[in-house]
Amino acid sequence: DVKVTQSSRYLVKRTGEKVFLECVQDMDHENMFWYRQDPGLGLRLIYFSYDVKMKEKGDIPEGYSVSREKKERFSLILESASTNQTSMYLCASSLGQASTNEQFFGPGTRLTVL
Amino acid sequence: AQSVTQPDIHITVSEGASLELRCNYSYGATPYLFWYVQSPGQGLQLLLKYFSGDTLVQGIKGFEAEFKRSQSSFNLRKPSVHWSDAAEYFCAVAEGNFGNEKLTFGTGTRLTIIP
Repeated sequence: DVKVTQSSRYLVKRTGEKVFLECVQDMDHENMFWYRQDPGLGLRLIYFSYDVKMKEKGDIPEGYSVSREKKERFSLILESASTNQTSMYLCASSLGQASTNEQFFGPGTRLTVL
Repeated sequence: AQSVTQPDIHITVSEGASLELRCNYSYGATPYLFWYVQSPGQGLQLLLKYFSGDTLVQGIKGFEAEFKRSQSSFNLRKPSVHWSDAAEYFCAVAEGNFGNEKLTFGTGTRLTIIP
């Protein structure tokens, strides 16, 4: 069964901390994505990766970076967390490079920055 | 750039009643369209997708959607809702070019079911 897992369901951090959100998929998918979800704004793409060590900015990359050292793992990094980064973060993956392919989502990490 | 509008933030329907959730998109070429559902505390799950061909597409859980190019719409329907359909629903559009995987999501519609 297809699976995308995220390292934490809930996370509380302090302003200025460095935060790592981890995502792992077991489907051998080429593409991986990080979104943030906020009420009234839907899902917004932060970064995506279509191959190991490759990354592209999404719509809201400011304040974030990513790392993809292995095909199955895609990390989102908040270099210095701020309160406006309090949000739900969703990871997704998909196969290949065709827009017809379904994205599979993890359960999400709810991050609170105090 | 493409965009998706879901004009209804929140919809309440009675169990057993029919449902239609609206989605309008803005995209110059033929769009690839998706509906996802997010149950409480869960990630998103694909309900159905449209790429080409028959404009009425069937999905999981008894849902269907109809692509209407003239209206730039891709509305989601279900003839009889169940209490388990209570969730948030997202419409999304992808660029129709091979190699571009990005999806643009609407802001979502929250569905409440009353007994």
